[in-house]
Amino acid sequence: GAGVSQTPSNKVTEKGKYVELRCDPISGHTALYWYRQSLGQGPEFLIYFQGTGAADDSGLPNDRFFAVRPEGSVSTLKIQRTERGDSAVYLCASSLGRGGRGEQFFGPGTRLTVL
Amino acid sequence: GESVGLHLPTLSVQEGDNSIINCAYSNSASDYFIWYKQESGKGPQFIIDIRSNMDKRQGQRVTVLLNKTVKHLSLQIAATQPGDSAVYFCAGGANSKLTFGKGITLSVRP
Repeated sequence: GAGVSQTPSNKVTEKGKYVELRCDPISGHTALYWYRQSLGQGPEFLIYFQGTGAADDSGLPNDRFFAVRPEGSVSTLKIQRTERGDSAVYLCASSLGRGGRGEQFFGPGTRLTVL
Repeated sequence: GESVGLHLPTLSVQEGDNSIINCAYSNSASDYFIWYKQESGKGPQFIIDIRSNMDKRQGQRVTVLLNKTVKHLSLQIAATQPGDSAVYFCAGGANSKLTFGKGITLSVRP
């Protein structure tokens, strides 16, 4: 079966622009996660969805970042007024379970470059 | 604050030897710990996990050891192969939220 897919694989934008990053989780996975990974660092938690609702958005750095999952499947991470410091790989993961140790399966990420 | 970190940035081993990758954590509230492997251009791949109430768990060619007294986690890879070359991350988990360390590069010499 297909794994987690993310589009686009690469996104180059200019400072101040708006971007949307898409995540298609594994079919049937109710939990979905967004992480951000800077070069040489481990992934940093941003937000976690259980179904359609954001169960934990404590990792979103500021109000320029927003994510939705309107039908409990595909999710979109939205970044307004992008800044150069937003440049990173944005990873999405999904898992079967509600909380706990449900194994998180990661997508390949979207590399965002803000010029 | 909560942090999970690794002792060494790089590890070079001879093919066929055993590898040991170490990790220290500071958050005692983690319910479980996971080791991930990440190859260039790919997302992290699950290797093995361990509950916080366990001290050892074995998988295929891999063993994870947890020492809660000193807040230390290690990953042992038996008979290291060229395909094991990657960046390895440990992560602590609580309420579905994972906190990752910085990563260590494992390089396997032929």
